[in-house]
Amino acid sequence: TAGITQAPTSQILAAGRSMTLRCTQDMRHNAMYWYRQDLGLGLRLIHYSNTAGTTGKGEVPDGYSVSRANTDDFPLTLASAVPSQTSVYFCASKTGANTGELFFGEGSRLTVL
Amino acid sequence: GQNIDQPTEMTATEGAIVQINCTYQTSGFNGLFWYQQHAGEAPTFLSYNVLDGLEEKGRFSSFLSRSKGYSYLLLKELQMKDSASYLCAVMDSNYQLIWGAGTKLIIKP
Repeated sequence: TAGITQAPTSQILAAGRSMTLRCTQDMRHNAMYWYRQDLGLGLRLIHYSNTAGTTGKGEVPDGYSVSRANTDDFPLTLASAVPSQTSVYFCASKTGANTGELFFGEGSRLTVL
Repeated sequence: GQNIDQPTEMTATEGAIVQINCTYQTSGFNGLFWYQQHAGEAPTFLSYNVLDGLEEKGRFSSFLSRSKGYSYLLLKELQMKDSASYLCAVMDSNYQLIWGAGTKLIIKP
């Protein structure tokens, strides 16, 4: 089973350019999340979606946007990348907002120069 | 504010036992999770505690004391493959996960 698939795995991006990180899950999970992970810091929530058609802001939403047009897909867009957005990005999902453990994608390593 | 504390790094010997502590201060409590993350990989679920006490799962056990805001992950019969970071996370009153920075566990032969 695929679980959660993220793309691209790795990307180098010039500052000021836009970028969309893709995330697709095949587990029919209602809740999906985008985190960034930086050295020495815990996972920080960027945006989340408790169910298709709804999204919410997490701890560090500035500079990022998301959409949830259907259950399976939850893309993360950087409209105008800045060097501080250099990070490893993880997409995750679980059965429902209030239940279950998180399943993570393999991560997308983004470098903004 | 909400806070999760765990040691940055620990070292242990193959075959031994290690205990990784996690203390938390959060707005409400709806459970505590432990995840394992090998270098360059995604976190994977290890355990979930919502009631006080010890949950045992093979070589791994997790303990929770809600009154003390404290949990530990106990790893027995350590193997080299247990070298990884261990992440503690608490689900707050809004069912959002608050993450610790992780404990890097180094296993020596």
